[in-house]
Amino acid sequence: EAQVTQNPRYLITVTGKKLTVTCSQNMNHEYMSWYRQDPGLGLRQIYYSMNVEVTDKGDVPEGYKVSRKEKRNFPLILESPSPNQTSLYFCASSLARPNSPLHFGNGTRLTVT
Amino acid sequence: AQSVAQPEDQVNVAEGNPLTVKCTYSVSGNPYLFWYVQYPNRGLQFLLKYITGDNLVKGSYGFEAEFNKSQTSFHLKKPSALVSDSALYFCAVRDAYAGGTSYGKLTFGQGTILTVHP
Repeated sequence: EAQVTQNPRYLITVTGKKLTVTCSQNMNHEYMSWYRQDPGLGLRQIYYSMNVEVTDKGDVPEGYKVSRKEKRNFPLILESPSPNQTSLYFCASSLARPNSPLHFGNGTRLTVT
Repeated sequence: AQSVAQPEDQVNVAEGNPLTVKCTYSVSGNPYLFWYVQYPNRGLQFLLKYITGDNLVKGSYGFEAEFNKSQTSFHLKKPSALVSDSALYFCAVRDAYAGGTSYGKLTFGQGTILTVHP
């Protein structure tokens, strides 16, 4: 089954404790992206990647890191999480064509206390 | 910079009535426009897209959307709403002529909650 898999689904952590949210897709997609969803703000793009070793900032990259060492994986790293990063996070992938729709994972709900 | 606005936080309709969820956009060049739907505790699912050509686009689950270049709008419509259509709907835009890797930026609206009453 074609899918984007995020782990974990739920994560509660404390301020300053480094964490990684994993994202993997099995569709051989070149393009991958991370979004955060907050009430009233919709989805805001954090980082995206057009292909292996090619990443770029979205609209809200501060406090986040990403890497794209393999085509299928695109982990999101929070080196020193803060409470304002409490949010619902989505990973998505697609072909690297501007008219290609995104396939989304089921989300990771992160709480930073 | 590109942007999307969904002017209504909520839309309420009765089952069987037509529905419209509004979206307006702003891009430098020509737009690629998308609609996605989100059900509780799930990721977003693609509904339909506008690239170029016909201004009325048909998508999944009986939804369609009307592109209006002069009004920079891309409203989502359905002739007869179902209770099962109740969900959160997002409009998104990408600039078709963004150079280099810039077309990787896909901007979403803030979402509209659609509630269809029996």
